[in-house]
Amino acid sequence: GAVVSQHPSRVICKSGTSVKIECRSLDFQATTMFWYRQFPKQSLMLMATSNEGSKATYEQGVEKDKFLINHASLTLSTLTVTSAHPEDSSFYICSAPTSLNAYEQYFGPGTRLTVT
Amino acid sequence: ILNVEQSPQSLHVQEGDSTNFTCSFPSSNFYALHWYRWETAKSPEALFVMTLNGDEKKKGRISATLNTKEGYSYLYIKGSQPEDSATYLCALMNFGNEKLTFGTGTRLTIIP
Repeated sequence: GAVVSQHPSRVICKSGTSVKIECRSLDFQATTMFWYRQFPKQSLMLMATSNEGSKATYEQGVEKDKFLINHASLTLSTLTVTSAHPEDSSFYICSAPTSLNAYEQYFGPGTRLTVT
Repeated sequence: ILNVEQSPQSLHVQEGDSTNFTCSFPSSNFYALHWYRWETAKSPEALFVMTLNGDEKKKGRISATLNTKEGYSYLYIKGSQPEDSATYLCALMNFGNEKLTFGTGTRLTIIP
């Protein structure tokens, strides 16, 4: 199957700083990528849809100025958590459908963010 | 807000035994139901994408069924092995977009 990488796998940052998380499709092109967040004992919740060459679309309740998304190329989307606070500590994971089959989405391994 | 529910939340099964768990979802506007297997520190791995009512899919010892009219899917594992230990997620895709709404998962532990 298709491979999606995510970097970093773990990051600890201080409150008020910004953190960038990268999501790459390694062997296919992805015009769309999805960013999810998972809090403990909860399900993966969609935060935003990243669109190559245009603005991301955000789910209700997700602050677009806080979670900046850039889909710079057909293989890379980045999520920047700006002015991070402890309540932003969570598990962030991305996925991408392949152009061959929009049903199937391939996930990265996720990034554990801890804000101190 | 779509409500996708999975039960049980966790399950311990003796090696060699068979097991199953459930995903329930709102049946209106249904497009597809996904099952993923998620091992710790790895990417969720796609198991099945199911679209048709009455669909049954199989991959080795794992199979799944789908009832779109009543809004549920079952995942079955036959002859559990230690490598089956993982969290199994289901996710609903509604008609008109590629967004996935996930359940909270069933955490399966196989006891050797």
